[in-house]
Amino acid sequence: DQQVKQNSPSLSVQEGRISILNCDYTNSMFDYFLWYKKYPAEGPTFLISISSIKDKNEDGRFTVFLNKSAKHLSLHIVPSQPGDSAVYFCAASPGSQGNLIFGKGTKLSVKP
Amino acid sequence: GAVVSQHPSWVICKSGTSVKIECRSLDFQATTMFWYRQFPKQSLMLMATSNEGSKATYEQGVEKDKFLINHASLTLSTLTVTSAHPEDSSFYICSAPGISRYNEQFFGPGTRLTVL
Repeated sequence: DQQVKQNSPSLSVQEGRISILNCDYTNSMFDYFLWYKKYPAEGPTFLISISSIKDKNEDGRFTVFLNKSAKHLSLHIVPSQPGDSAVYFCAASPGSQGNLIFGKGTKLSVKP
Repeated sequence: GAVVSQHPSWVICKSGTSVKIECRSLDFQATTMFWYRQFPKQSLMLMATSNEGSKATYEQGVEKDKFLINHASLTLSTLTVTSAHPEDSSFYICSAPGISRYNEQFFGPGTRLTVL
């Protein structure tokens, strides 16, 4: 049973517009949530994280929103750029410095 | 950010042979490292947690005798796929926890294993 779900396998967005990637989870004990970006045949690259005690964290063009009551988080990228095209993984951590549980990823395509 | 390297980046081997994959933390020490496996169009699945100086902790369904993990130093963990079979063909990625406030893990570039 998947604890972290990314229900959209792909997303296509026009350059300059907002990209919204969604993630749902089932375990209320997760205390950190992270987003990773991954290119083919490369390891994931950390983008941004959020603690479960917060509802928003912003870093440049990337903002993560957390809705604990709905067990839902989202990553907003604005403005989207063609270089953002990659697979984005949502991950949850059950404890500090612990292992990560990943969603299946969403492939984002940003068209010029 | 911290750098994690993996070697080799890709390997092709015959069925029945053993393959060793190295994971190194280049500019920091890691008492814990994680090994993941990713099949095409699938998520990264945690295989095991590698602990420096002690036995690795394996996830349910992962054969510890087939996937041997050795974490002999604070900067090196190795994963050996023993008696590899075509179904072991996958993308293997290691990671090490960071020490910043972001609680992130730093991933290696991955190793593509193809078993013929």
